[in-house]
Amino acid sequence: GESVGLHLPTLSVQEGDNSIINCAYSNSASDYFIWYKQESGKGPQFIIDIRSNMDKRQGQRVTVLLNKTVKHLSLQIAATQPGDSAVYFCAEINMNRDDKIIFGKGTRLHILP
Amino acid sequence: GAVVSQHPSRVICKSGTSVKIECRSLDFQATTMFWYRQFPKQSLMLMATSNEGSKATYEQGVEKDKFLINHASLTLSTLTVTSAHPEDSSFYICSAPVRGWTDTQYFGPGTRLTVL
Repeated sequence: GESVGLHLPTLSVQEGDNSIINCAYSNSASDYFIWYKQESGKGPQFIIDIRSNMDKRQGQRVTVLLNKTVKHLSLQIAATQPGDSAVYFCAEINMNRDDKIIFGKGTRLHILP
Repeated sequence: GAVVSQHPSRVICKSGTSVKIECRSLDFQATTMFWYRQFPKQSLMLMATSNEGSKATYEQGVEKDKFLINHASLTLSTLTVTSAHPEDSSFYICSAPVRGWTDTQYFGPGTRLTVL
């Protein structure tokens, strides 16, 4: 299930199930979106990106969906594995203006055995 | 692939001292780098944009005299936390944009600063 902690919401998923992590972005002018994975004590790692002219993009075991109408982004992880445990951040960029990344609040993904 | 390194990975210092953190792009040139700080269990907050050959651009609320940024070359940016205090303890992360098919940014591994 999904719960909201003091700072980061946590999503608990059974190993082998699919995970869906949601994100609401803030700027309607943002035209490039990225999902990052951050393990404890490490910098963010790129997972998958999507441009605003697309609504879906698939990678290896991951899919990103973009709904510009409601400014919503989601990351789907298929067949979740223990190594997927991490904090996931969505990020938005306005490529026409600058390269500044605006990070979302993040969601901790917890894998249940 | 593109790699960004940071040094040191961890630093513990006394209150009032200054600490320098280096961010290097290892196999590509970066005219722009970004510095973030991250408090425990929170998201990354952009502090400033480091520009090679010119002054850094600071985000609102970030003290430029406290967080000195120098982008000395196309592969090195440094962040100096001056007169550090315990509230400056945080995880500092740099990133550099890479133009290519992903147009993404690569992040350094981060520097954990603890001010006693």
